[in-house]
Amino acid sequence: GAGVSQSPSNKVTEKGKDVELRCDPISGHTALYWYRQSLGQGLEFLIYFQGNSAPDKSGLPSDRFSAERTGGSVSTLTIQRTQQEDSAVYLCASSKKVGLTKETQYFGPGTRLLVL
Amino acid sequence: RKEVEQDPGPFNVPEGATVAFNCTYSNSASQSFFWYRQDCRKEPKLLMSVYSSGNEDGRFTAQLNRASQYISLLIRDSKLSDSATYLCAVTPGSARQLTFGSGTQLTVLP
Repeated sequence: GAGVSQSPSNKVTEKGKDVELRCDPISGHTALYWYRQSLGQGLEFLIYFQGNSAPDKSGLPSDRFSAERTGGSVSTLTIQRTQQEDSAVYLCASSKKVGLTKETQYFGPGTRLLVL
Repeated sequence: RKEVEQDPGPFNVPEGATVAFNCTYSNSASQSFFWYRQDCRKEPKLLMSVYSSGNEDGRFTAQLNRASQYISLLIRDSKLSDSATYLCAVTPGSARQLTFGSGTQLTVLP
């Protein structure tokens, strides 16, 4: 079946511009996560959506970062006034929690963001 | 101290060797534990979940030691195709997001 998809796969932007990154989770997955992976920081959590609940934004590094999830499916991560330190691979993951079983997160291919 | 720590390696081993990775976590209330594999410029892919009783999948064995707060991954009879970065991941406490270690790079040499 189709996995998590993300677009664009690569994005080059100039410092100060806004960017939008998109994630399509696996159909039927109620949970959606955004992470970013950079050379110096490893893989770090940004934000988490579960169904219609308020998102967990505890990982967002600044108020320039925001995300929304429309209709419980597609999510968009927006970075305003990009800075060079925002350059990273932005990974989206989705999961389907069933009762008390372990929840497996499946990752998309990521968006490579380069801020010049 | 980082929440999840791994030896970054690199580990360079010959084909057929057995190699073990450890990962320590700081939150004693952590609930779920995983090993992911990440190939160069690719996304992480789940290798194994880690259960309290330990679990095995072919050449791969994962173990959890709650008392000492570490998880381990053992790869037996390593193959060239095992070359990758291995990431341990933990859900700290009641949180559902994953906290990752920095990854251990493995290269299996012919």
